[in-house]
Amino acid sequence: GESVGLHLPTLSVQEGDNSIINCAYSNSASDYFIWYKQESGKGPQFIIDIRSNMDKRQGQRVTVLLNKTVKHLSLQIAATQPGDSAVYFCAVPNNNAGNMLTFGGGTRLMVKP
Amino acid sequence: KAGVTQTPRYLIKTRGQQVTLSCSPISGHRSVSWYQQTPGQGLQFLFEYFSETQRNKGNFPGRFSGRQFSNSRSEMNVSTLELGDSALYLCASRGTEVPGELFFGEGSRLTVL
Repeated sequence: GESVGLHLPTLSVQEGDNSIINCAYSNSASDYFIWYKQESGKGPQFIIDIRSNMDKRQGQRVTVLLNKTVKHLSLQIAATQPGDSAVYFCAVPNNNAGNMLTFGGGTRLMVKP
Repeated sequence: KAGVTQTPRYLIKTRGQQVTLSCSPISGHRSVSWYQQTPGQGLQFLFEYFSETQRNKGNFPGRFSGRQFSNSRSEMNVSTLELGDSALYLCASRGTEVPGELFFGEGSRLTVL
């Protein structure tokens, strides 16, 4: 079955620095890949997705990179702010419907003021 | 527009009891999925409903069940509760624009004693 893994359980960065959160996946047949953010006491919130035919996609202060050769996904957050402190999950769909997602274990991002 | 609403937010049950959790999706969203979140297993897919029909089911025992009503509201039920069922149960609804963009509620925190 599908599996998604994360390299680091906790990432601590200084406010204003850039953050990079990594994720490895196993199913190269996935049509797209997704990043979610979960703040304390809240449900996960969609950040950005990337189609499998893309290498890079940019959003507001976030960039997702996809390396299909090594099955690696990363989320880059520019000028990290205290409000970025959360757990970040990568996720891949299990089927074409897109609602059945397999989530990675999560990386906790801590932003130091 | 109002987000996904889950009730109750917190509940405590004892082993052997059963529990029903409720979810109201975003207005207009017809797809509702449920996830279980625990520190040990992370986010795991339970099931998905669309137009009152279960469309997908995760790898959980038959004690976990759900349903969806004609107004898209959904309930999930766990019978014969076990200690390991203690978790945050998250409901998510989905529109039709972005395949992997699920809108999560804040969850129902179940503690089984």
